[in-house]
Amino acid sequence: SQELEQSPQSLIVQEGKNLTINCTSSKTLYGLYWYKQKYGEGLIFLMMLQKGGEEKSHEKITAKLDEKKQQSSLHITASQPSHAGIYLCGADIATDSWGKLQFGAGTQVVVTP
Amino acid sequence: EPEVTQTPSHQVTQMGQEVILRCVPISNHLYFYWYRQILGQKVEFLVSFYNNEISEKSEIFDDQFSVERPDGSNFTLKIRSTKLEDSAMYFCASSGQGARNSPLHFGNGTRLTVT
Repeated sequence: SQELEQSPQSLIVQEGKNLTINCTSSKTLYGLYWYKQKYGEGLIFLMMLQKGGEEKSHEKITAKLDEKKQQSSLHITASQPSHAGIYLCGADIATDSWGKLQFGAGTQVVVTP
Repeated sequence: EPEVTQTPSHQVTQMGQEVILRCVPISNHLYFYWYRQILGQKVEFLVSFYNNEISEKSEIFDDQFSVERPDGSNFTLKIRSTKLEDSAMYFCASSGQGARNSPLHFGNGTRLTVT
């Protein structure tokens, strides 16, 4: 079974519109990380959430962690072409290790004019 | 802004050959990692390294794989006898503390193609 599920798999949004990506874990979350990846390139760190209820924002991107639901959401306000790419959530779900992140399959975001 | 650098960006090798992928982590980081991503699949953990020894490794990281920090700046991944299924993008990452306290910063990856 999938330990970390992202939804949707892909989405197309018109420039200026908002979008939300969800990441749900089947196991307890010890930390949740959001990364952005352009096709064939490295992972760019966006945000790290550690505590239930935590919410962080950077520019037009906001991420929240719902510890009870074992879920995180990434919200982009007024999307721009620069927001296009693949968004990955990574989670620390192991009780006895660190650095061993499980990643979701990614959400491909396309921003149209 | 400091970044993780990886070389080469692309590596093509024949099956059975040895390859060494190189990484220069962020200078004040203490924890180092290798991940890989097979085309169209998820990013998956290979190994974590701290204090000059492996902290944890996945099932993928078998005896064909090894890691080394030969000096104070480089971190390498060696695959002794490459197989076709080793073809993937290999990412090096580093963090200042364990991942629960500080984020992993990834390099741009080395695309390994085994023919």
